[in-house]
Amino acid sequence: KNEVEQSPQNLTAQEGEFITINCSYSVGISALHWLQQHPGGGIVSLFMLSSGKKKHGRLIATINIQEKHSSLHITASHPRDSAVYICAVRPLIQGAQKLVFGQGTRLTINP
Amino acid sequence: KAGVTQTPRYLIKTRGQQVTLSCSPISGHRSVSWYQQTPGQGLQFLFEYFSETQRNKGNFPGRFSGRQFSNSRSEMNVSTLELGDSALYLCASSWTNWVVGEQFFGPGTRLTVL
Repeated sequence: KNEVEQSPQNLTAQEGEFITINCSYSVGISALHWLQQHPGGGIVSLFMLSSGKKKHGRLIATINIQEKHSSLHITASHPRDSAVYICAVRPLIQGAQKLVFGQGTRLTINP
Repeated sequence: KAGVTQTPRYLIKTRGQQVTLSCSPISGHRSVSWYQQTPGQGLQFLFEYFSETQRNKGNFPGRFSGRQFSNSRSEMNVSTLELGDSALYLCASSWTNWVVGEQFFGPGTRLTVL
C-alpha cells in the first residue's frame, strides 16, 4: 500500500464546477504539499500545509492531521486549471527532508 | 529573482553511457533535492544536498550519485545507463533544510535512454 493515496486518479468536469481532490496518507508528517504539474513537466507548488486550511484565489486546501487526510478544492473551475495535481508529504522522521508523493490526479476541465 | 534552472532540458543517451545533469537553485537557497518521475512509478525522491553535504537519500542504486558545489549548484550523475532510467529528472530548491519549507521546482531534464 502506498504511503500517499490520491483520489480520484482522473477527473473530468465542466467549466464552472466545484472540484475536490482527496489525499490520504499513512505516516506521521511534518507537512503536506499540493503541487500542480502542467503538460511539459513543470511543477508549481500550490500549498504547504501543516494544519487547518489555506486559500489562494480559487484554490482552497485543507488538512485533518488526526484523520491523515487532505483535500484540494477548486471553485469556479476553468479550462486553464487542467493539469495533474499531486499531493506530497514530508514524513515525520528525524532528518527526513524528502517528499513522498501520491500518484497524482489528472484534472480536465472542458469549456 | 530567477527561478530554478536545469540543464540540459532534453537528453538522449544509449545504454551503458553515463550522464550528468545540472541544477542551479534560486539565489540564496542552500538546499537542493532531486526527483525522478516515470509513468510507472510517479515521482520518487533521489537525494537532497545542503551545504555541499548529502543529507538524505532515496532508494536508488549506487549508479545514481550527486554533489553540490559551494555556490549551491548541484549535479547528479547516472552511470551505466539502463532503459529504465528514461525519465523526467526534477530538482527543487529551498532556502534551508532544518525547518519545513516550500520547495521550488525547476523545469526538469527529460532523459531518454535508447
